[in-house]
Amino acid sequence: GAGVSQSPRYKVAKRGQDVALRCDPISGHVSLFWYQQALGQGPEFLTYFQNEAQLDKSGLPSDRFFAERPEGSVSTLKIQRTQQEDSAVYLCASSLAAGQETQYFGPGTRLLVL
Amino acid sequence: GESVGLHLPTLSVQEGDNSIINCAYSNSASDYFIWYKQESGKGPQFIIDIRSNMDKRQGQRVTVLLNKTVKHLSLQIAATQPGDSAVYFCAEYRPPSYNTDKLIFGTGTRLQVFP
Repeated sequence: GAGVSQSPRYKVAKRGQDVALRCDPISGHVSLFWYQQALGQGPEFLTYFQNEAQLDKSGLPSDRFFAERPEGSVSTLKIQRTQQEDSAVYLCASSLAAGQETQYFGPGTRLLVL
Repeated sequence: GESVGLHLPTLSVQEGDNSIINCAYSNSASDYFIWYKQESGKGPQFIIDIRSNMDKRQGQRVTVLLNKTVKHLSLQIAATQPGDSAVYFCAEYRPPSYNTDKLIFGTGTRLQVFP
């Protein structure tokens, strides 16, 4: 009876290093979302998948950020050449279907770029 | 601009009292709203939602009120308990008609419950 899981829970990277963050959504959930949460702020939308299709990537802050969901289940958020301003909690959420459905969040990956 | 915000960053209440957390939104076309609770080190947890065709919705110890005229939401927690201490976010849903299903979150209100 798993919820959304994310790994790693914590990641420390040196500036310039590439990182990959994994999200396992709730089984059978069609929609998957990535959000970025800075300290003391609300989550901010990054990108949205419906099955394997990336329908909205308007929130990705730069071309260093890339997300994929090749088989419509697990998703990976990759950040290339990390910078200090990328330090944040990266949250993944999934919902059963498209439309006005409740989004269920994972625990997040806390990324610290030194 | 588009925003969902909260009036009070921190709310301190005594255990057993009722809590009211407020939220303003700016997009009058928004038709679905959700309240989330986030404890330290955890992801946001769904509390309650409300659609724009409703003014009020009740759950277990929680009630959400929606005033579309002034674009205002509130979350009421009855008989607040120490376990209610967390940051609370309201979120506005952008439906598929906007070509996305994303949620727009406010900054959050920290609720502190003291004995």
